[in-house]
This record gives sequence, structure tokens and C-alpha cells, in this order.
Amino acid sequence: GENVEQHPSTLSVQEGDSAVIKCTYSDSASNYFPWYKQELGKGPQLIIDIRSNVGEKKDQRIAVTLNKTAKHFSLHITETQPEDSAVYFCAAWQTSGTYKYIFGTGTRLKVLA
Amino acid sequence: DADVTQTPRNRITKTGKRIMLECSQTKGHDRMYWYRQDPGLGLRLIYYSFDVKDINKGEISDGYSVSRQAQAKFSLSLESAIPNQTALYFCATSGLGQGGETQYFGPGTRLLVL
Repeated sequence: GENVEQHPSTLSVQEGDSAVIKCTYSDSASNYFPWYKQELGKGPQLIIDIRSNVGEKKDQRIAVTLNKTAKHFSLHITETQPEDSAVYFCAAWQTSGTYKYIFGTGTRLKVLA
Repeated sequence: DADVTQTPRNRITKTGKRIMLECSQTKGHDRMYWYRQDPGLGLRLIYYSFDVKDINKGEISDGYSVSRQAQAKFSLSLESAIPNQTALYFCATSGLGQGGETQYFGPGTRLLVL
């Protein structure tokens, strides 16, 4: 089955700097890769996603890149702001066997003012 | 109103007690999921249901059971709670599709087993 590894587990950046979180996956058949943001006391919420037929996707200050050959995808946040502080999870949509998501272990991002 | 609601939001119980966590959704989705979140371990799938008559075990189903009472309701039960089931529990829903669909999460239930 699919296995997703996420790094780093914690990340501190100065306000205005960029943050990058990376995930690797094992199942080459996985074809959908969402990123979720979890704020304190709330459930995870989708912030951006990418499908396997696309190499990069941007939404304002957030971008996701996908390297199918290396089986890794990354979240890029530019011009970080204090409200970006949260836990971020990557996930891969497993298509072999039963369709379901496999989540990474999460990255706690702290944006220092 | 929230699309996915969970009750209770917080629960303290004792070892050996049976408890039920409830989830309701108004998104009209067929697929519902129960996850457990522990520090450093991310979100782990307990059970999932692709429709009312379809229930499947996830990666950590031991000690848990579920009931899909209707399309909109999916309950998680701990038959005999133990301290290592102390965690944050999330319910989620998604639409159909083999290409992956956005999951919508509830606000979570924080469970403490003494």
C-alpha cells in the first residue's frame, strides 16, 4: 500500500520569508495530492491540491510542485505571515486496492513576527 | 452551519467504559471516514464507509466499531475504552470519484480515557 513521508516535522521562519514542506510517496499509481492546513482547535482544511498530470499549481502565496519520477511533492508558501502558523498535512490518494487517502505525519509551521 | 459536525467536542471517560462519537454531515456526500490524530503520527484511518451498506476497516480499527445509520450519519464506538485511545478524533466526508476528492473534516472530538 501507499506510504507517505513528510519533512520537516517542525519549521520556524521569519515573517516574510518562504517555507517549504516536502512529502514523498511510495505508490506510483497515486494520482492526487492534496495539502491540508490545521489551525488550533479545528479540523484540517484543504488549501491546495495537485493531480498527477500537472507539475505545478499556484494559488496566490501558495504553490505545490509534483515530481512524479522522484515521487515527491512539495508545498511552498511565500511571504509568510503570522496567520500561516499552523500544522500542515500532505496526503496521497491511494488507487491500488481500495481508494483512500494516506496522510503524512504533519509539519508544525511557526511564523515569527 | 458547519457542513460536518461532531458530538461531543470533548469527552472524559474511564477505562472499560463504552462510548460513542457521532458525526453528521450536510454535504450530501456518500463517503465518510473516521480518523485518529496523535502527536507526531498525523492522521490515521480507523474506518471508512463509501455508502450506507459499505463499511471498511482502516489501518487501526482494533478496539473500534462503526455504524452508518444513514447517508448523513456515521458513528464511532469504543466498546471498552483504554488509556491509549486518548486522542483527537476526526470525522470527514468526501464525494465520489476515482481521481481523488476533497475531504471535509469536522472540528474534532478530544477524548481522554483515564
